[in-house]
Amino acid sequence: DAGVIQSPRHEVTEMGQEVTLRCKPISGHNSLFWYRQTMMRGLELLIYFNNNVPIDDSGMPEDRFSAKMPNASFSTLKIQPSEPRDSAVYFCASSFWTETEAFFGQGTRLTVV
Amino acid sequence: DQQVKQNSPSLSVQEGRISILNCDYTNSMFDYFLWYKKYPAEGPTFLISISSIKDKNEDGRFTVFLNKSAKHLSLHIVPSQPGDSAVYFCAAGDSGTYKYIFGTGTRLKVLA
Repeated sequence: DAGVIQSPRHEVTEMGQEVTLRCKPISGHNSLFWYRQTMMRGLELLIYFNNNVPIDDSGMPEDRFSAKMPNASFSTLKIQPSEPRDSAVYFCASSFWTETEAFFGQGTRLTVV
Repeated sequence: DQQVKQNSPSLSVQEGRISILNCDYTNSMFDYFLWYKKYPAEGPTFLISISSIKDKNEDGRFTVFLNKSAKHLSLHIVPSQPGDSAVYFCAAGDSGTYKYIFGTGTRLKVLA
């Protein structure tokens, strides 16, 4: 398996623009997590899904952030409108629900100017 | 409010010596703890974990110790190797929900 695949790897956008980050989890995994990494706060859990259903989105910072998982092999994290303080590395991770270990993608480095 | 804290942002150790990375947590409901390692431009990779029913778990050169009364865990790497140079994150959470809170990370540098 290729592991968790995220795209794009890098994204530079202007403030106010919509940004969509994409994630393909490992086949067979039924839990999916979106994390944001910043220097100040480390890895923050934004939202996680179990069997494509959002279970906990309490980490989503504002209404500007939304996440979807239309099927077991694809998820998106959207920021609309984007702001410079959203600049960070965003990671997607997946796991099998009975396993505690999550596998991470390589991340998307987002820069909002 | 940081529920999981790694108070040392960085650590330097000589090759062959022991590396000790520390992590503190505040939520007594946490019952599962993990360590992840992260190289630049890569995602974190799972290293080792421990359940709250244990106080020690060992995997090769890596050992995690858990002190529940102090709400403290540590990762020992013996002997340290230059390839161990990375950022190490500890994570804690409830194994029932699989919602894990990560610390801010400790950058380990192993000097050859």
